[in-house]
Amino acid sequence: DAGVIQSPRHEVTEMGQEVTLRCKPISGHNSLFWYRQTMMRGLELLIYFNNNVPIDDSGMPEDRFSAKMPNASFSTLKIQPSEPRDSAVYFCASSSLGQGYNEQFFGPGTRLTVL
Amino acid sequence: KQEVTQIPAALSVPEGENLVLNCSFTDSAIYNLQWFRQDPGKGLTSLLLIQSSQREQTSGRLNASLDKSSGRSTLYIAASQPGDSATYLCAVTRSYNTDKLIFGTGTRLQVFP
Repeated sequence: DAGVIQSPRHEVTEMGQEVTLRCKPISGHNSLFWYRQTMMRGLELLIYFNNNVPIDDSGMPEDRFSAKMPNASFSTLKIQPSEPRDSAVYFCASSSLGQGYNEQFFGPGTRLTVL
Repeated sequence: KQEVTQIPAALSVPEGENLVLNCSFTDSAIYNLQWFRQDPGKGLTSLLLIQSSQREQTSGRLNASLDKSSGRSTLYIAASQPGDSATYLCAVTRSYNTDKLIFGTGTRLQVFP
């Protein structure tokens, strides 16, 4: 298994631009998570999906952030318009809720820099 | 509201020492607890997962214990090596019906030769 795949690995953009981060979960997993990690705030859960349905988006900071999961093998996190304070590492993770121990597996992350 | 705390925040030890990293949580009603390792600039790697009904889990030189009633878990690393240098995070989930993780603040470990 290739694990959780994220793209791009690095993204540098200018303030005001739209940014789209992509994630492919582990095949067979039914839950997908988007996290943000910064030095100041540590790891924060932004949103998570179960069976492609958003379950908890209380961590999404503002309306500028949106996430979709059109099918079981793909999800996007979009920031529009981006701001310098959005600079962080964004992680995607997946797990099999209800099918075992709910262990989460993380992708390598996307390092976003907004200038 | 569940809060997860890790002590110490940072630890620097010589190679070969046995280590104990601590994790505490305020709400004992957890489903499981997971320990992760994060190398600089990398993602999180799952090390051990302990179900709420279990007391400990072992993997190689790592042993994680769980005392749910007192809200504590420890990660024991035997015979530490420079390759163990990383940040260690613990995280808990609340129930079977959710796999939402609440993360601790992390312990940054450095093992020097």
